[in-house]
Amino acid sequence: ETGVTQTPRHLVMGMTNKKSLKCEQHLGHNAMYWYKQSAKKPLELMFVYSLEERVENNSVPSRFSPECPNSSHLFLHLHTLQPEDSALYLCASSQDGVGGHQETQYFGPGTRLLVL
Amino acid sequence: DQQVKQNSPSLSVQEGRISILNCDYTNSMFDYFLWYKKYPAEGPTFLISISSIKDKNEDGRFTVFLNKSAKHLSLHIVPSQPGDSAVYFCAASAQGGSEKLVFGKGTKLTVNP
Repeated sequence: ETGVTQTPRHLVMGMTNKKSLKCEQHLGHNAMYWYKQSAKKPLELMFVYSLEERVENNSVPSRFSPECPNSSHLFLHLHTLQPEDSALYLCASSQDGVGGHQETQYFGPGTRLLVL
Repeated sequence: DQQVKQNSPSLSVQEGRISILNCDYTNSMFDYFLWYKKYPAEGPTFLISISSIKDKNEDGRFTVFLNKSAKHLSLHIVPSQPGDSAVYFCAASAQGGSEKLVFGKGTKLTVNP
């Protein structure tokens, strides 16, 4: 498998459920990201991990909990979500090189989440 | 306030003609710009990028133009093909910060046969 993969592709959960989204990158990158895409809104950056350390958390509610066990895997643990959290959740990865920021991010296909 | 703006939510062109997608930004610290293409039920796919030291970058049918004084960039697709029908996102980043990309809302391009 190549590129960035995400599972599951679709998820329906109740507000009291606990679920996890998984992302795996096969590109040898060292930075990974979670984005949220809601209807008619720009992509919103949620979390950034570089070399398995979280470097940014954009004021995301604690009901979203990321985990990055190694540079190839990224999880987003979900707990007591709200209906307004329904969205497309996208994972991306990039190579965080020297001088850093001008690195292209490569996206997975996303998980379409519906919270009932 | 949105730092990256794509003011046209949709664009429709005939096959074989030029498609021009526009993007404006407000943050003068942005120095790297990217275009992504997104098909339904898929994640965004990187298309082309440009650094602020350039004003044009070309890759096959795709050309990105950057006008720093106007804080404006555009993506030209020539000739347009039906397979180009997708949502196109403009994104920008600033040196010295994190790896953060700021995205526009996207423009839905429809290329009619």
